[in-house]
Amino acid sequence: AQKITQTQPGMFVQEKEAVTLDCTYDTSDPSYGLFWYKQPSSGEMIFLIYQGSYDQQNATEGRYSLNFQKARKSANLVISASQLGDSAMYFCAMRPIQGGSEKLVFGKGTKLTVNP
Amino acid sequence: DAGVTQSPTHLIKTRGQHVTLRCSPISGHKSVSWYQQVLGQGPQFIFQYYEKEERGRGNFPDRFSARQFPNYSSELNVNALLLGDSALYLCASSLGPWSTDTQYFGPGTRLTVL
Repeated sequence: AQKITQTQPGMFVQEKEAVTLDCTYDTSDPSYGLFWYKQPSSGEMIFLIYQGSYDQQNATEGRYSLNFQKARKSANLVISASQLGDSAMYFCAMRPIQGGSEKLVFGKGTKLTVNP
Repeated sequence: DAGVTQSPTHLIKTRGQHVTLRCSPISGHKSVSWYQQVLGQGPQFIFQYYEKEERGRGNFPDRFSARQFPNYSSELNVNALLLGDSALYLCASSLGPWSTDTQYFGPGTRLTVL
């Protein structure tokens, strides 16, 4: 079974500063994918970034980067140059790559507030 | 291109009633997954469908059922509603059911059971 742990219920950051949202995971699967989603108050889950467990380099997408440390089983999201529109819930999720399990397993999320 | 669409946006039902939620995937996507998100939690997997076949089922009672149509749209049905079914129901579409396919979510249907 897979498990995602997000230990920060809430985080605050000043506009234009960088922030790191923590995610640790537990799995016995040899290959897996890690995802980050953003959920504004409107409810829609917005895909941000993906990291495969076999990828040699950390994933980056614009202002988002994933600090992947496989030995520590952590996949932290780094948001650079925070903007007011980044205020939202952020969810870390995982999915095994082999084994036929189709579901995404989510953490409980971190609420990010960007202050002006 | 249009994203994943869901209807209705909001719904209020009473205990014991039945509800049908609808989802249209992104054009070209053949896989649809359903998730339930209760307040303060991350989404929980309910079903995945690909090419009209059920590919996965989460730990939900038989009151929950779903189907996928030839145009790849999907319905989620919940019978005998309970207060605990109150949640945001999210639909996600992906190109296929494979684990490396990113799932893109719709805006959700917020169900309130009174």
